[in-house]
Amino acid sequence: EDQVTQSPEALRLQEGESSSLNCSYTVSGLRGLFWYRQDPGKGPEFLFTLYSAGEEKEKERLKATLTKKESFLHITAPKPEDSATYLCAVWAWVNSNYQLIWGAGTKLIIKP
Amino acid sequence: DTGVSQDPRHKITKRGQNVTFRCDPISEHNRLYWYRQTLGQGPEFLTYFQNEAQLEKSRLLSDRFSAERPKGSFSTLEIQRTEQGDSAMYLCASSPQGTNTGELFFGEGSRLTVL
Repeated sequence: EDQVTQSPEALRLQEGESSSLNCSYTVSGLRGLFWYRQDPGKGPEFLFTLYSAGEEKEKERLKATLTKKESFLHITAPKPEDSATYLCAVWAWVNSNYQLIWGAGTKLIIKP
Repeated sequence: DTGVSQDPRHKITKRGQNVTFRCDPISEHNRLYWYRQTLGQGPEFLTYFQNEAQLEKSRLLSDRFSAERPKGSFSTLEIQRTEQGDSAMYLCASSPQGTNTGELFFGEGSRLTVL
């Protein structure tokens, strides 16, 4: 069964303390992996698309990487405004159609 | 504001009542999606439109749920005879034709509470 698992469920860091979020997936034929940020009470906001193992994308303090089994979202020297839930999704063939399969997210809290 | 807009933002209703949500996508986007999200979970796919055609509908979706996009612009999602299990955030997203369909623009959602 195609699925996406994110870990940890929650992560508390001090401002400036770098870390990584994990997204592992089991899909038959990856057609794209996507990272989104979601603030409380808001809809998800698109961050990155990764297509193939070895690919990397960067935006400000965030860098996303991809292997054949998982993706990492590295956050360097985070600030309190980086606090949010980070969602991972993969484009997979489900019930005779391509659909996004979403993980449950990692809630990131950055303390000043 | 040229983003995806949803209305109402919050709806509280009693079990058994019908509710309707509206979504206005970004004007040049021809693809429109509805998702449902509960606390601590990722979005769950409900249905997808390309222009006015409803091309996909989740097999998990009850017959009490119906969506329309009559002129290929705004869309409505109606839930009939609401149940407490319908309480969730209902998210609308849009994307333009020709882009990777995993890159979606979401609205701020409509939160439904069924008492």
